[in-house]
Amino acid sequence: KNEVEQSPQNLTAQEGEFITINCSYSVGISALHWLQQHPGGGIVSLFMLSSGKKKHGRLIATINIQEKHSSLHITASHPRDSAVYICAVRSRTGNQFYFGTGTSLTVIP
Amino acid sequence: EPEVTQTPSHQVTQMGQEVILRCVPISNHLYFYWYRQILGQKVEFLVSFYNNEISEKSEIFDDQFSVERPDGSNFTLKIRSTKLEDSAMYFCASSEKREGYNEQFFGPGTRLTVL
Repeated sequence: KNEVEQSPQNLTAQEGEFITINCSYSVGISALHWLQQHPGGGIVSLFMLSSGKKKHGRLIATINIQEKHSSLHITASHPRDSAVYICAVRSRTGNQFYFGTGTSLTVIP
Repeated sequence: EPEVTQTPSHQVTQMGQEVILRCVPISNHLYFYWYRQILGQKVEFLVSFYNNEISEKSEIFDDQFSVERPDGSNFTLKIRSTKLEDSAMYFCASSEKREGYNEQFFGPGTRLTVL
């Protein structure tokens, strides 16, 4: 059973394209994270959301609590954006963290 | 910029041996976490720690695992008798406040290989 589902699993884009990665979850949550995992394995937290929308540079994250859905958008994509993007949620009850399997993004120059 | 550090970066051990993975969280953070990622699989939550005790743990975190904050800076994960399936990347993270209300900062990870 996957509490967090991401789509697509793999994504290849041309430099400059607008990218959207989707995340759906099945549990009640207190927060949702978008993480970036670099090819070397390191993980960086991009956003933490509990409602609405956040923007940081070329990255935008949105969440719809009613629909249990979040999206990560990358505007004007660049090869350095190539990484695995992971959606993770903290359940509101049971104090558990659930991770998606990640979306592997490759941006071609 | 403050960061979470982990040592060693790579640990190789024989099955049945005990290993201790070390983490130094960001100094003013109060909540600490361990996650693991088996090669090719998704990240999994192991445990969270606050005020010198475990606050949450997953089903994975069974009796062979333990965590400790032995001094004011280190946060350790001990695996008592390693199994082949413990081979994974282990990530430590810390946050200033309770998860759900604050972001976590991740360490670079320790790759554990059990032979």
